Parts: sequence; structure tokens; C-alpha cells
Amino acid sequence: GNSVTQMEGPVTLSEEAFLTINCTYTATGYPSLFWYVQYPGEGLQLLLKATKADDKGSNKGFEATYRKETTSFHLEKGSVQVSDSAVYFCALKKDSSYKLIFGSGTRLLVRP
Amino acid sequence: EAGVTQFPSHSVIEKGQTVTLRCDPISGHDNLYWYRRVMGKEIKFLLHFVKESKQDESGMPNNRFLAERTGGTYSTLKVQPAELEDSGVYFCASSQDIAGGRYNEQFFGPGTRLTVL
Repeated sequence: GNSVTQMEGPVTLSEEAFLTINCTYTATGYPSLFWYVQYPGEGLQLLLKATKADDKGSNKGFEATYRKETTSFHLEKGSVQVSDSAVYFCALKKDSSYKLIFGSGTRLLVRP
Repeated sequence: EAGVTQFPSHSVIEKGQTVTLRCDPISGHDNLYWYRRVMGKEIKFLLHFVKESKQDESGMPNNRFLAERTGGTYSTLKVQPAELEDSGVYFCASSQDIAGGRYNEQFFGPGTRLTVL
């Protein structure tokens, strides 16, 4: 079946460090891929998306590239800030369905 | 524009009791979804409404869960009777209906944290 696997957290970094959160997926066809972020006390917010192979999604300094050959959608940011501390969820959606399939989430803690 | 709101934010109940969660979607959004995250695991889809109709309820865990969306506006999710394994965070999301669109962003509420003791 369709599934998303992401690295377990928590991930603890110092401010201005480089961030990578790994995400791989299993799905037939060509799903759309997403990263959602949940800041403390808030709902999930769409961070970025990619709808086809080799697309790069980007927002707020975060980037992720849809790699079909490795079935991956790793999240990266060159220099994290304390305000980036949150839980990050990788997700996919098949064209034929409305439902999102999420990974288990990765908590990021950025220390000053 | 108001976002998706959920009530209550937290609920603590005893096993065997009944709890009703409410979700108010963004005004004008025909699609409404329920998801839940149990014990820090992945967020799992429960069901999807289009207006007042259940489009997909394949993720509902069992018949102790009942979702309604009378009038196609707000939705309720009732758990009766609650069991320990129902503890988790219940998220609601809504989206517009974009005919023919490949992508239809879902906007999420802050969630209701349910604890069953």
C-alpha cells in the first residue's frame, strides 16, 4: 500500500546549522508530495509541495526535491532559526484520492 | 478569513464515556476531513465529507466512531464508548472543491487532544 517513512526525531540543532529531514515514500503511479509543519499550539500548515518528478518545492528557506528514482522528498534548509522549532510531517496524495497519507513526524528543536 | 476551528482543544474522559468533537471548516469549503494522530505516530485519515455526504470513511476504526455534517457546515465526531486506544490528537481539515484540479490544499485546524483514562 501507500506509505511515507520519515526519520525519527527529535532532531536538535544549533541556530544557523544545516537541516536535513529524510522522507521516503511507497506509492504506485505519481503521487503529489508535501511537507507540513506544526508549530507549538497550532494546526498543521502546508510548508511546500511538489506535484511531479524533479519538481522542487520551496518556502521560507526550506526546499525539497521530488526524486522518483529514489522515491524520496527530503526536506532541507541551509540555516535554521530558533523559530523553525516545530514538528515536520512528510505526506503524499494520490491523484485518485483526496486523502493525505502522512509520515510519523519529526520534531526539530533549534537551540540559540 | 477565519481558519479551521476545533472544539474543545483538550478533553479528558473516563473509559466508557462519550465524547463529541466539533470542527468548523473555513467558510465555503465543501470538503471536510477528519484525521487523527495516536501516540506520536503518523497522522491517519479517518473520513472525508463533501458537503453533508460521506465521500470516504475507509479510515474510521470501528463503529464506536460516528461522524456527522448536518447541513454541510460544521462537523462532529462522536466516540461512544471511548476506549483507552482512542487517545490521541484529532485533526480536522477543509478544502475547496476545485473541479478538475489536481491539487486541492487542505487547511488544518489546531486539533483536539483526547485523553481516555
